[in-house]
Amino acid sequence: GAGVSQSPRYKVAKRGQDVALRCDPISGHVSLFWYQQALGQGPEFLTYFQNEAQLDKSGLPSDRFFAERPEGSVSTLKIQRTQQEDSAVYLCASSLRSASANEQFFGPGTRLTVL
Amino acid sequence: AQSVSQHNHHVILSEAASLELGCNYSYGGTVNLFWYVQYPGQHLQLLLKYFSGDPLVKGIKGFEAEFIKSKFSFNLRKPSVQWSDTAEYFCAVIPSGNAGNMLTFGGGTRLMVKP
Repeated sequence: GAGVSQSPRYKVAKRGQDVALRCDPISGHVSLFWYQQALGQGPEFLTYFQNEAQLDKSGLPSDRFFAERPEGSVSTLKIQRTQQEDSAVYLCASSLRSASANEQFFGPGTRLTVL
Repeated sequence: AQSVSQHNHHVILSEAASLELGCNYSYGGTVNLFWYVQYPGQHLQLLLKYFSGDPLVKGIKGFEAEFIKSKFSFNLRKPSVQWSDTAEYFCAVIPSGNAGNMLTFGGGTRLMVKP
């Protein structure tokens, strides 16, 4: 497909479980971003990759959150020992280049519910 | 760090009414500004963006926004809304140049257009 895809679209986890969320960016896009969107709020930045390099992870809320993009294309966001406050929609976005004026294309998100 | 505020959380209009959604940002340097829209059940998509030149920017579906640097504002307007404009609208900012690549979003404005 031509857009950013994410899987799964919905994930229910019991508190304490580990989860892995996948993002397939648009082919050839250099930059990849993860955002967290809590209910009723705007998306908040988590982390940023340029190719396989993670250049900014300042938005990750705790050391339970880990992201990787080993081959510079697909990315995985992993959350260990999930907590109820991790419940949110996790959005992935990609852009062609790293310049700030480049449009970021968003995927449909993964809605994570932690019980 | 930059921040974005959207003053109206919920707006209800009748079809053909005019729309103006407020957006103010705080950041000491130059910025690139964006409006994203999220239609029900769909992913975030770009409505319009400003990074230089004419401060009046025209986007898709008849939307426009005006960047007023002295007021740190980037309000979104449409002269006559349609029922299909029902959606959530997000204003976002990125500092220009190499100061960062992640979008900082406002809290969003949920627009409902009554037929």
